[in-house]
Amino acid sequence: AQKITQTQPGMFVQEKEAVTLDCTYDTSDQSYGLFWYKQPSSGEMIFLIYQGSYDEQNATEGRYSLNFQKARKSANLVISASQLGDSAMYFCAISTSGGSYIPTFGRGTSLIVHP
Amino acid sequence: EPEVTQTPSHQVTQMGQEVILRCVPISNHLYFYWYRQILGQKVEFLVSFYNNEISEKSEIFDDQFSVERPDGSNFTLKIRSTKLEDSAMYFCASSEALTGVKNIQYFGAGTRLSVL
Repeated sequence: AQKITQTQPGMFVQEKEAVTLDCTYDTSDQSYGLFWYKQPSSGEMIFLIYQGSYDEQNATEGRYSLNFQKARKSANLVISASQLGDSAMYFCAISTSGGSYIPTFGRGTSLIVHP
Repeated sequence: EPEVTQTPSHQVTQMGQEVILRCVPISNHLYFYWYRQILGQKVEFLVSFYNNEISEKSEIFDDQFSVERPDGSNFTLKIRSTKLEDSAMYFCASSEALTGVKNIQYFGAGTRLSVL
């Protein structure tokens, strides 16, 4: 079984500051993928960033980076230089071979960026 | 940039009616998925589809649901005899491959289903 835990139901950040959204996972598989998605108030799910379990480098995509700590089973999303448009729900997800590569999503973290 | 397209964006139906939700996946993708998200809750997997057949389904995906790829571009989710608890956002997604970095699933904007 695979599981994602997002312990922060809500986060606030000042515009232009960096923010870290926490995600811990549980799986017995050695090979897995970790994903972050953004869901603005309009509802769509937007893919942000991917990290493979065997990737040696932490993934980065523009202002998004993934702080991957394999031993701690954590995959925190770091958003640098927050913008008002970053206000949204953020979901962490994991896919594993044992789970037929079907992603399991966490409950999400609501991020509000203040001007 | 290629995207997954879903229609309609909002569907209102009466309890007991049948609805068909439509999706056009990204053209070179091989794997297609339906998810649902009840308001305020997490995204839940319903079904995956590959090579014109269901490859995985969750316990939510019972006989009330069916999927079809009627032609080379569309992918549909049919919900028969809708119930109040079927009210949710339904997402279609597609991916290029099953494993590794290419199994990133790209989602459509969703269809909000309201059952009255």
